[in-house]
Amino acid sequence: DGGITQSPKYLFRKEGQNVTLSCEQNLNHDAMYWYRQDPGQGLRLIYYSQIVNDFQKGDIAEGYSVSREKKESFPLTVTSAQKNPTAFYLCASYEGYYGYTFGSGTRLTVV
Amino acid sequence: AQSVSQHNHHVILSEAASLELGCNYSYGGTVNLFWYVQYPGQHLQLLLKYFSGDPLVKGIKGFEAEFIKSKFSFNLRKPSVQWSDTAEYFCAVGPGGYNKLIFGAGTRLAVHP
Repeated sequence: DGGITQSPKYLFRKEGQNVTLSCEQNLNHDAMYWYRQDPGQGLRLIYYSQIVNDFQKGDIAEGYSVSREKKESFPLTVTSAQKNPTAFYLCASYEGYYGYTFGSGTRLTVV
Repeated sequence: AQSVSQHNHHVILSEAASLELGCNYSYGGTVNLFWYVQYPGQHLQLLLKYFSGDPLVKGIKGFEAEFIKSKFSFNLRKPSVQWSDTAEYFCAVGPGGYNKLIFGAGTRLAVHP
């Protein structure tokens, strides 16, 4: 079945560490997105990519970085510069009429 | 700036009650409109979407939404809710094309048997 795979499901980070969240899709979609979900704030866009080797900042890009070396993959790195990284992170892809497909998310906790 | 407002943050209903969740957006151009649902412990699922045509859109599980362009609204409705509809509901707006999807803050719905 086609879809988006996010890993790991749960991730713990120590203060000052960088961590990378994986997002892989087998839908052959060009566009991919990273959202952060916090209670009562909905989903906020971190980064998005419309094509390989190109990406744009979203509304809350500070403290995050991404790469898009392959169409199928859009990993997100949460750097030590992100002051409040504890959140639920969702990856999505987009294709025309069918709209957006979301992964099952990664819950990141700072310990 | 583009934004999406969901008026109700928490809604509590009894089974068989009717549901209407409000969604208003601010964007002057052509938009694609979506309602997503997130059941407890599960990922976001698409309930319904509007791209063009009939402004009354029917989705899965008996949900429908009406696009009223003059009011910049896309309210979600269901005539009779069930306990299994307990979830968080998100309205989202996407300016035409690949552009980013803007989400509302979400509405938590609790349906009591």
